[in-house]
Amino acid sequence: QVTLKESGPALVKPSETLTLTCTVSGLSLSDSRVAVSWIRQPPGKALEWLGNIFSNGEKIYNVSLSSRLTFSKDTSNSQVVLTMTNMDPADTGTYYCARVGVVRGILMDFFDSWGQGTLVAVSS
Amino acid sequence: QSVLTQPPSVSGAPGQRVTISCTGSSSNIGAGSDVHWYQRLPGTAPKLVIYDNYNRPSGVPDRFSASKSGTSASLAITGLQAEDEAEYFCQSLDITLSHVVFGGGTRLTVL
Repeated sequence: QVTLKESGPALVKPSETLTLTCTVSGLSLSDSRVAVSWIRQPPGKALEWLGNIFSNGEKIYNVSLSSRLTFSKDTSNSQVVLTMTNMDPADTGTYYCARVGVVRGILMDFFDSWGQGTLVAVSS
Repeated sequence: QSVLTQPPSVSGAPGQRVTISCTGSSSNIGAGSDVHWYQRLPGTAPKLVIYDNYNRPSGVPDRFSASKSGTSASLAITGLQAEDEAEYFCQSLDITLSHVVFGGGTRLTVL
């Protein structure tokens, strides 16, 4: 059974850096068929894709946030880390990590397992 | 303003059929991008219920079905049950933005 769980601070101050960790189980981050995405949802707004990190370490970011985002992974500890700099109140929301779906060994554009999400508030 | 537009809410009585629409544009659904649907029960992780327009993952009841036409898609739930009360999201790939996009979500109430 695949599970993902986000963890990190519930509150950050404006201009600070946010670091979130996604701990996965039931899958290996070194498997070429595994990619993990970060997705967020501000209150009252739609879900927003932030980016993906792949087993080979490659990353793709939402262009609108790419200057502030960094993804990394620790394969041995089954963790993916999101770092977002210069946090703003507009970044308040629930942050999810999710596994990219695979069909016949090919990574697709949907997400077949999600974490429960972690709520991050940005306020002084 | 979401790239994909969904009605904020729908409702239906137990046993009834409800549909949830997802309207996009020529940059996403109309461009041939696949549509996927998720269910989010209160306080739980989103769950994939439909992928690639009409496919159900293992374990999703066949009461859930979906279709796509032109720049829109829809999710249908037949034989509505109390456990279906949740928020539903559509998702597709926008070729202009070069990333996945989501609908704003539709809250389904089972009366």
